[in-house]
Amino acid sequence: DIQMTQSPSSVSASVGDRVTITCRASQGISTWLAWFQQKPGKAPKLLIYSASSLQSGVPSRFSGSGSGTDFTLTISSLQPEDFATYYCQQAYSFPYTFGQGTKLEIK
Amino acid sequence: QVQLVQSGAEVKKPGASVKVSCKASGYIFTTYAIHWVFQAPGQRPEWMGWIRTGNGDTNYSQKFQGRVTITRDTSASTAYMELRSLRSEDTAVYYCVTALSTSSDYWGQGTPVTVSS
Repeated sequence: DIQMTQSPSSVSASVGDRVTITCRASQGISTWLAWFQQKPGKAPKLLIYSASSLQSGVPSRFSGSGSGTDFTLTISSLQPEDFATYYCQQAYSFPYTFGQGTKLEIK
Repeated sequence: QVQLVQSGAEVKKPGASVKVSCKASGYIFTTYAIHWVFQAPGQRPEWMGWIRTGNGDTNYSQKFQGRVTITRDTSASTAYMELRSLRSEDTAVYYCVTALSTSSDYWGQGTPVTVSS
């Protein structure tokens, strides 16, 4: 199975800050990488697919980059509704696997 | 609009089975594969398997192989996930998802399953 490792596991930031989350795959996955946001008691919500494509309806302050084994999710200017847990997920091969999550908290 | 509506919460005893349904609407059912995702409390989501809704082909995670069966009823636009030999570690929320991690990614509301004696 492909292992996905995110860093940091948690981050504290303020409204208006720029935040970057990284995700590393245990083997090359081309650009078969997605990013999800999850709030308590809710299903994960797709933000980015194919490493850098913004899902319809997602604000443009979210962006993704990377290929191969190293990927990043950037939120350019944090808004109050962005405080949540973020997961990366590889869609290169079965079983699809998720990172352990990054909890974004208010400073 | 695409909508996936899952069956309600379940409480089961260890060793029992559970079958969760996922009714799709707002699109042609056979257009998208349906995946099932498991999320234990406080843990990351885990992929369980998927079904090609057109021909019924399936693929399962080795973690659940032998205990899980995913089926579909095209006439009812509904997918099903059955998990057998339940144990306490199977306590989780189970989600169905169309075309996971693509531009056609839509999630059901989740079905909590509690396994307790």
